[in-house]
Amino acid sequence: EAQVTQNPRYLITVTGKKLTVTCSQNMNHEYMSWYRQDPGLGLRQIYYSMNVEVTDKGDVPEGYKVSRKEKRNFPLILESPSPNQTSLYFCASKPWGDYGYTFGSGTRLTVV
Amino acid sequence: AQSVTQLDSQVPVFEEAPVELRCNYSSSVSVYLFWYVQYPNQGLQLLLKYLSGSTLVESINGFEAEFNKSQTSFHLRKPSVHISDTAEYFCAVSGTGGFKTIFGAGTRLFVKA
Repeated sequence: EAQVTQNPRYLITVTGKKLTVTCSQNMNHEYMSWYRQDPGLGLRQIYYSMNVEVTDKGDVPEGYKVSRKEKRNFPLILESPSPNQTSLYFCASKPWGDYGYTFGSGTRLTVV
Repeated sequence: AQSVTQLDSQVPVFEEAPVELRCNYSSSVSVYLFWYVQYPNQGLQLLLKYLSGSTLVESINGFEAEFNKSQTSFHLRKPSVHISDTAEYFCAVSGTGGFKTIFGAGTRLFVKA
């Protein structure tokens, strides 16, 4: 089945404790992206990657890191999480051009 | 730069009634337009998209949207809703390069029996 897989689905952590949210897609898509979803704000892009070793900042990159060492994987790293990063996170992928995204099921992160 | 405005944050409607979810966008370049649906506790799913050609696009579950360039709108409509259509709907826009997609804030559709 073609899909984007995120892990974990739920995560509660403490301020300052480094964490990684994994994302993997099995569709050979070039383009991958991380979004955060907050009530009333819709989805805001954190980082995106156009291909292996090519990443760039989205609209809200502060406090996040990403890497794209393999085409299928695009992990999101929070080096020192803070409570304002409590949110619902989505990974998404798509092929080049005009196709819509395929989204993962989301990761609900709570930072206390 | 592009932006998307969804004009209603919540839309309550009775089952079998028609519904319209409004979306306006702004862009200085040619755009692709999308509607996504998010059911509770799930990720977003692509509902329909406008890329070029006919300005009226349809989904497999009865929704349709019309691209209106002069009004910069891409409203989503369904002539008769079902309880199962209860979800949050997001309008999105990207430039025709397709690299960056901007999402609206979402519209929660509540279908009541």
